Amino acid sequence: KNQVEQSPQSLIILEGKNCTLQCNYTVSPFSNLRWYKQDTGRGPVSLTIMTFSENTKSNGRYTATLDADTKQSSLHITASQLSDSASYICVAESGGSYIPTFGRGTSLIVHP
Amino acid sequence: SQTIHQWPATLVQPVGSPLSLECTVEGTSNPNLYWYRQAAGRGLQLLFYSVGIGQISSEVPQNLSASRPQDRQFILSSKKLLLSDSGFYLCAWSVLLTGTPRTQYFGPGTRLLVL
Repeated sequence: KNQVEQSPQSLIILEGKNCTLQCNYTVSPFSNLRWYKQDTGRGPVSLTIMTFSENTKSNGRYTATLDADTKQSSLHITASQLSDSASYICVAESGGSYIPTFGRGTSLIVHP
Repeated sequence: SQTIHQWPATLVQPVGSPLSLECTVEGTSNPNLYWYRQAAGRGLQLLFYSVGIGQISSEVPQNLSASRPQDRQFILSSKKLLLSDSGFYLCAWSVLLTGTPRTQYFGPGTRLLVL
């Protein structure tokens, strides 16, 4: 069964600090790993996507890494801002499938 | 550019009443369409997906149904709502482009409260 596990479930940090969110996946056959940001009451928006052959991808202050051997991904946020407060969802996509596998998300709160 | 619309944005309905949520996509043809539900503090749960007009696949047995009467229109319905149907409903679309990952683009969502 395809699964995506995220940790921590929630995280509180101070503005300006860095943080790292973790994602472990079991998806076969695996093709892509995507991170979404979901603001409260809004739909998720794609932040980064990596194919199985990519190790890292950046989008501004967001940097995602992928280790296809250990089936792990991380999302690193640098110099956090209040607007980073959101849920971050890890998604594993399978080649040829219409249906991605979503993690439950990590809820990040950035305090001033 | 492509856009996705959902309405209504918020809905409060009594138990046992019917439901109709609508989703439309503009700026693309023959998209894959999806309905997700997100309960408070929970992950996204895929309810239905459609790869074409009249083609609906159900992922979770429940008292909800979906229809796709037009290429870019996706409707989520229920004849009788349950308390457990409360949640945040998201519509999404994607298009398969050769050689590129299939991104899902989400609508703004409908918050449903069943009382």
